[in-house]
Amino acid sequence: GAVVSQHPSRVICKSGTSVKIECRSLDFQATTMFWYRQFPKQSLMLMATSNEGSKATYEQGVEKDKFLINHASLTLSTLTVTSAHPEDSSFYICSAYGTAGGYTFGSGTRLTVV
Amino acid sequence: AQSVSQHNHHVILSEAASLELGCNYSYGGTVNLFWYVQYPGQHLQLLLKYFSGDPLVKGINGFEAEFIKSKFSFNLRKPSVQWSDTAEYFCAVIPTGAAGNKLTFGGGTRVLVKP
Repeated sequence: GAVVSQHPSRVICKSGTSVKIECRSLDFQATTMFWYRQFPKQSLMLMATSNEGSKATYEQGVEKDKFLINHASLTLSTLTVTSAHPEDSSFYICSAYGTAGGYTFGSGTRLTVV
Repeated sequence: AQSVSQHNHHVILSEAASLELGCNYSYGGTVNLFWYVQYPGQHLQLLLKYFSGDPLVKGINGFEAEFIKSKFSFNLRKPSVQWSDTAEYFCAVIPTGAAGNKLTFGGGTRVLVKP
């Protein structure tokens, strides 16, 4: 079946640094990538939607300059958390929609900012 | 805009017990409905989905869900749970014909099955 590979699975970074999270669709083309944030014991909150080759569309309240999304190819999308702060610590999940049909989720990235 | 409500945040039950998780949505038109499961440490996986036709949908691992249009509900059921069903369950909705658009998720229900 369709697989989305998300890396890294866990990352710890110092406050003020940037972190890049990658999501790759391994056996299908991801025309649309959704980036979610999941707080402990809460649901998935959509941060942004990106279509290949276009600028991402951010949800209200999400800082586009802080959460940089790139979707330059049909198999790769990245989320960069810039100048990370402890409040950015969270679980980030990508979801791809494309030629496989349906929504395929990555395994998530646990970000801890110290 | 659509919204999804899952009434139970936590459910604890014993093996072989029956499970029913509530899901209600709010939207003025027709929708496609999904249940996803997130096992501990794993990614979200699709359990089942409803697009049209028979409102009783069967999914993987013995789960089923029934779409009741008049109640705007899509409850998930399993007659006899196993310890391995311990997970978090999410209901999601998308307007019909909007495939590829964003899913709207409910708050999730954390299920713990005691052996």
